[in-house]
Order: sequence, then structure tokens, then C-alpha cells
Amino acid sequence: SAVISQKPSRDICQRGTSLTIQCQVDSQVTMMFWYRQQPGQSLTLIATANQGSEATYESGFVIDKFPISRPNLTFSTLTVSNMSPEDSSIYLCSVDLAGINNEQFFGPGTRLTVL
Amino acid sequence: SQKIEQNSEALNIQEGKTATLTCNYTNYSPAYLQWYRQDPGRGPVFLLLIRENEKEKRKERLKVTFDTTLKQSLFHITASQPADSATYLCAGNNRKLIWGLGTSLAVNP
Repeated sequence: SAVISQKPSRDICQRGTSLTIQCQVDSQVTMMFWYRQQPGQSLTLIATANQGSEATYESGFVIDKFPISRPNLTFSTLTVSNMSPEDSSIYLCSVDLAGINNEQFFGPGTRLTVL
Repeated sequence: SQKIEQNSEALNIQEGKTATLTCNYTNYSPAYLQWYRQDPGRGPVFLLLIRENEKEKRKERLKVTFDTTLKQSLFHITASQPADSATYLCAGNNRKLIWGLGTSLAVNP
């Protein structure tokens, strides 16, 4: 299994500002994932963060809006840039421990409110 | 488009009864389906994975089925307890996981 922590757990931000969310895993993992969970919507994958290479973004998400860093095998950050109220959501990071039935382990999430 | 659909209405049941949640997939054939539990303010927690060639899988009071003809998975919690109250998410694999909206379960004492 994996234990994942996220910071901050919640934040209230002003329109036009940026917020960086941190994700720390207690073991080395190849792939980390960033999700968005908006009210009334299913979990939506934003991007896959690979150590040593650029993140892979899903359709509808771009690097300028959601820059991601992956400096090592246990840590990643997601920045939500130039925020608008539509970015209000829960942001979750997760990992997929290869060879363990493809189950994903999730962090507790970051609840972001943009005013 | 590829979809995972779950009961949108909350399920309320009496303690001790069996809860049954439904997950239907459309426009694709996942090789496996996963079930997660999510409590308010927390990330999803993995419960069970079932592959397309498995009809049924059990783990303690949990049972999952996979019917490729009906394109459906059923998730059962037997002898339900108030502590089982949560939202249950179904996800099917493709290039990435495709998630359902989840079904809220309330077990009343």
C-alpha cells in the first residue's frame, strides 16, 4: 500500500491568483496522477506526472493552466494558475503501484474555493 | 463516448440488510472494473477489482460481479452496518480509468 499526503488540505483564493498543491508519497512510485473532482461530476484525470519527463495532460487540460512538477519519485506538485471560480474543486493526487492489481491509492484531497 | 454510469439516487437501507449498487458501462469493454469507497472530505479508498473473465469476487462482507453480457457490475455489501455509509465509486479501465459519479449509501441503525 501507499500513504499519500497533500498540502494544503483546503484553501480559499482570489480570482487571478495561483495555488500550488503538494503531494508526498511514502514510497517511490513511477507514476503519479492528478485528478479534479467537482461537485456533481465524476473524478476527472488532469494529467499523469512521470519522474524525469514532462507530464502527460488529458484532453481539456493544458500545461499553462495546470503546470506540474515531479522532481523525484516520491513528490509532485500541481499548480492551478490564474484561477477563476470555475476552478473551485477538490484536487486529488494518486499513485498506481505497479503489479498490485492496478488499484490506485489516493491522497486526502485539497479543497479549493476561488472567490 | 465511453461511460461508467451508477445509480444517481442515494440508497437508504436498514442495518443488517444487503446493499446492492449497480455500475453499467457503455461504448467500451473494460478489461476490469474497480470499486472504491469515498467518505466526505477524503480521497477514494480501493475496495475490490474484478476482471472481465471473473464472474464474481468476494472480500469479507463485499461481493462484486461482472456481467459482460449485461455490461454491468453489481457491488453487494452483506450484513450492512452504519459504518458502511459512504459514497461508492465504480471505475473501468481503458487507456486511463473512467469513473462513475458514485452512489451514496446510507445504512440506518
